[in-house]
Formats: sequence, C-alpha cells, structure tokens
Amino acid sequence: DAGITQSPRHKVTETGTPVTLRCHQTENHRYMYWYRQDPGHGLRLIHYSYGVKDTDKGEVSDGYSVSRSKTEDFLLTLESATSSQTSVYFCAISPTGDTEAFFGQGTRLTVV
Amino acid sequence: QKEVEQNSGPLSVPEGAIASLNCTYSDRGSQSFFWYRQYSGKSPELIMFIYSNGDKEDGRFTAQLNKASQYVSLLIRDSQPSDSATYLCAVGRDFVFGPGTRLSVLP
Repeated sequence: DAGITQSPRHKVTETGTPVTLRCHQTENHRYMYWYRQDPGHGLRLIHYSYGVKDTDKGEVSDGYSVSRSKTEDFLLTLESATSSQTSVYFCAISPTGDTEAFFGQGTRLTVV
Repeated sequence: QKEVEQNSGPLSVPEGAIASLNCTYSDRGSQSFFWYRQYSGKSPELIMFIYSNGDKEDGRFTAQLNKASQYVSLLIRDSQPSDSATYLCAVGRDFVFGPGTRLSVLP
C-alpha cells in the first residue's frame, strides 16, 4: 500500500468550530489531493497541490483552505465548520499527476 | 467546469458474464483516464489507467478509450461476486471523478 496516513480517522465537531485534517505521505510524491465523498455525488475535488506551497482550487473549495509547507504533509482546514461539511474526506497522492493516484483510508467528519 | 458522467446503476450481471461500464467526459483536452473500484466503506483502489485510443487489457479487465467520442469504458470478463463494488471513472491530471456505477454480480 502507498504510504498515506490520514488523521484523524473520525471526528465529531460542533458548528462554527475550526477543524484541520491532516494527510501525511512517505512516498515523496509531488501531487496531493483532498476530496469529499457524499452519497449521490461521488468524489468531488476540494483542493490539490502540485508542490510545496503550490495549491489550486477544485470543484468544491468554498469553506475550505489548504496548506502544504512540506512535501509530506497536506492540511485541509475548515475555518468554521457547517453541517453541510459533514462528509467522508479522502486524501490522495500521485507522483506526476498523469499517473495513478493512491488514496488514504479516509476521515469521517460529522458536524453537529 | 469539467464533467465526468457515468450511469449510477445498479448494474446487475450474472456470475461469469461480461460487465460493461461506461464513462463520458467533457474536457476534450484530457490526456489521462483512470478506473477505480471502491468497496462499501473503503477507499478507492486503482484498477487501471489508459492514455491512448484503443484497448488496454490487464487480466480480466479491459479499458477502452475513444477520444473523438470522449468516451472511456471498462469491461470485466468472467465477472465474480467479489467484483461487486462501485466503479469510478476519473479523468485528467486533477483526477475529476464521475459519480460511479454500482455493479452487482449475482451468483
């Protein structure tokens, strides 16, 4: 399995609180991605990174920010969590962006 | 906005049959195409990828790409109950995913 670790794996938080999800890789891959997965919507791209400090928005970026200060870590922050952000969040990594992406185990986030 | 479309299913096939999964995409400039399988409650896992027009075979799986028609498909030969899962098509360097097709292989 590709060396990807997401933390935490499960989190329950209250509306309005900040939340940070972490994706850590040991593969030294250049590209990292954050997705959310909801019933009926499949996987939707939130943000992705193509290098340290290089990030871009995806399809559903509103309400989310990201940071990548080191190759191995890609952080996803919900500045003020809302119930609509209850979802399963997946991190993925890819060596070049043109080859396969490998997924982490996912983080189940519940905003109450 | 890039779009990737798949029939949501469920697609039901008997054991041993060929399952055919289809995907269309909107971005004509896309160069890379991927098929993932996702079991319930698990993360997606790569089945195969294809870059060039035509067929690419890997064991029981064949991916077919037609860039002119903006169409990519996945054939699963000799389908097994263990193939029952959701199959996700992804397109391009930013890995835009379709909604997935749920496949059920009946014993």
